[in-house]
Amino acid sequence: KQEVTQIPAALSVPEGENLVLNCSFTDSAIYNLQWFRQDPGKGLTSLLLIQSSQREQTSGRLNASLDKSSGRSTLYIAASQPGDSATYLCAGGGSGGYQKVTFGIGTKLQVIP
Amino acid sequence: DTGVSQNPRHKITKRGQNVTFRCDPISEHNRLYWYRQTLGQGPEFLTYFQNEAQLEKSRLLSDRFSAERPKGSFSTLEIQRTEQGDSAMYLCASSLRGLETQYFGPGTRLLVL
Repeated sequence: KQEVTQIPAALSVPEGENLVLNCSFTDSAIYNLQWFRQDPGKGLTSLLLIQSSQREQTSGRLNASLDKSSGRSTLYIAASQPGDSATYLCAGGGSGGYQKVTFGIGTKLQVIP
Repeated sequence: DTGVSQNPRHKITKRGQNVTFRCDPISEHNRLYWYRQTLGQGPEFLTYFQNEAQLEKSRLLSDRFSAERPKGSFSTLEIQRTEQGDSAMYLCASSLRGLETQYFGPGTRLLVL
């Protein structure tokens, strides 16, 4: 059974700082690893998806890496902005031939102006 | 708007009543997922459809829960004889071919009194 852990649970940083969010998973036989953003009371917005054959993905100020052997993924946010304040969730996708995605509980990020 | 839509956005009901939620996925997506999210937790997988076939159900989905996707397009999730423990955000997502990014709807927030 896949278990996904995210550390830290909450993070507060001043605007402009670079930061790293961590995600670990127990089953290395994942098809992909996806990072989402969730604003309070809202649905999830996909940020980056890394296929199991890939090592990293980049989108703007975001960079996500995947190390299947160690069961870890990181989300790097460069030059953080107050608008980045949200909960960031990682999700390990699809083992066993179907698309059951297992989520962590998220890291709640606050970027202080 | 070509994203995933969910209706209603909010539902308040009394314990013991039945409720039904609807999800309209992105039109060309053949896979549809239901998740449940409680406060402070990540989404938990409930069930998954490929076209009209329900291919996976979580043990979280008790006999009081039923989901359908009759024509492979929209889906409904019904909860019978609601209990206070059913209070949660119910999220729907869709994807293409299953190995791609899951796109989430805004969710339906259920409160059972």
